[in-house]
Amino acid sequence: GAVVSQHPSRVICKSGTSVKIECRSLDFQATTMFWYRQFPKQSLMLMATSNEGSKATYEQGVEKDKFLINHASLTLSTLTVTSAHPEDSSFYICSARRSGGQPGTQYFGPGTRLTVL
Amino acid sequence: DQQVKQNSPSLSVQEGRISILNCDYTNSMFDYFLWYKKYPAEGPTFLISISSIKDKNEDGRFTVFLNKSAKHLSLHIVPSQPGDSAVYFCAASWSFGNEKLTFGTGTRLTIIP
Repeated sequence: GAVVSQHPSRVICKSGTSVKIECRSLDFQATTMFWYRQFPKQSLMLMATSNEGSKATYEQGVEKDKFLINHASLTLSTLTVTSAHPEDSSFYICSARRSGGQPGTQYFGPGTRLTVL
Repeated sequence: DQQVKQNSPSLSVQEGRISILNCDYTNSMFDYFLWYKKYPAEGPTFLISISSIKDKNEDGRFTVFLNKSAKHLSLHIVPSQPGDSAVYFCAASWSFGNEKLTFGTGTRLTIIP
């Protein structure tokens, strides 16, 4: 299989605090992981591409200082939402590209629901 | 600018019949297409993919058709089962090795028992 986990599945925090979300590939190595966010009834929007051992590549309009990404190992990437505000409330989903797997195919985690009060 | 479009936000199909989900794209650079299935509060699950060198790919009950000239792809599910009820997203990327996926807005499929 190609299992990707995310932790936590749900988090509620106060405005101004920072929240860390973990994404792990459980049964394969992932040199590349991706972070998406999805607003209600909308599509998944790519935020950034995370490469193991190097800096993340952010999509246009995504603040790199606000959404800190660290890809410390071949199985773990983290997204930290710094100084979260209510408009950051969303569903955050990570995916992983399987090393040596079929190009273009990403395997997704179950997502993290962030609610900022 | 929505480069990948799914114009039907919802679709209802009788159990046992064929479900056809459609997707259109505007970027002629896209050459790899995927379909994902998503349940509420879960991440998308990969279903099937097709590269632009093919016009059809089949995997069990799922078949994806690609019409490059029309920039259109479709997912056929036959026979449809209640467990197929979910939101289906099509996604596209360009050039083997380019990792980014552009997603459509999704179609909610409901299978009626």
